[in-house]
Amino acid sequence: ETGVTQSPTHLIKTRGQQVTLRCSSQSGHNTVSWYQQALGQGPQFIFQYYREEENGRGNFPPRFSGLQFPNYSSELNVNALELDDSALYLCASSLEVRVPSGHTFGSGTRLTVV
Amino acid sequence: AQSVTQPDIHITVSEGASLELRCNYSYGATPYLFWYVQSPGQGLQLLLKYFSGDTLVQGIKGFEAEFKRSQSSFNLRKPSVHWSDAAEYFCASVGSSASKIIFGSGTRLSIRP
Repeated sequence: ETGVTQSPTHLIKTRGQQVTLRCSSQSGHNTVSWYQQALGQGPQFIFQYYREEENGRGNFPPRFSGLQFPNYSSELNVNALELDDSALYLCASSLEVRVPSGHTFGSGTRLTVV
Repeated sequence: AQSVTQPDIHITVSEGASLELRCNYSYGATPYLFWYVQSPGQGLQLLLKYFSGDTLVQGIKGFEAEFKRSQSSFNLRKPSVHWSDAAEYFCASVGSSASKIIFGSGTRLSIRP
């Protein structure tokens, strides 16, 4: 059973650029959530995808967008990067959206915006 | 608004000593509650979860947590810590929407040799 894999592991971007982060969910999981974890903070919910549709969104601006594919993998896109977007971005997959069984997290993508 | 509070930012305990990490939640109904551990530069690993039933929950790595409704608490305990337990610990809850997990700000655990 494979876990959640994220790519790339590290990324450096310039302010104003766009970035795409990728996530492959754990085998058998159909729900993917994205979290932003700033240094020294707990993860903050960005959004969740279930059956290729957005199923809830946190307090993040529209320049944060996502996709889920038929194989349940997912992308997080961030446009017009700002310095405060520097963070660890975590992807989590879970089996069923209605009954939270406990998310399985990937190791994250460390994004640095300069 | 729903929230999770971890009042201790940093705790240091001696190897072999007992541990208790505090967590308080704010939510009207009984929430789903979790404890996660994060090693430096790593993702989050689920230690244990509480949904209903027995209020004392056993998890991996010898951890347990007790749900106390009257105190809105879900404290994590371990009878004897090991140096490998040094990490960041996050308490979390899921509300009625079930679409998101709300995390506390974390407690960093250091182990004194």
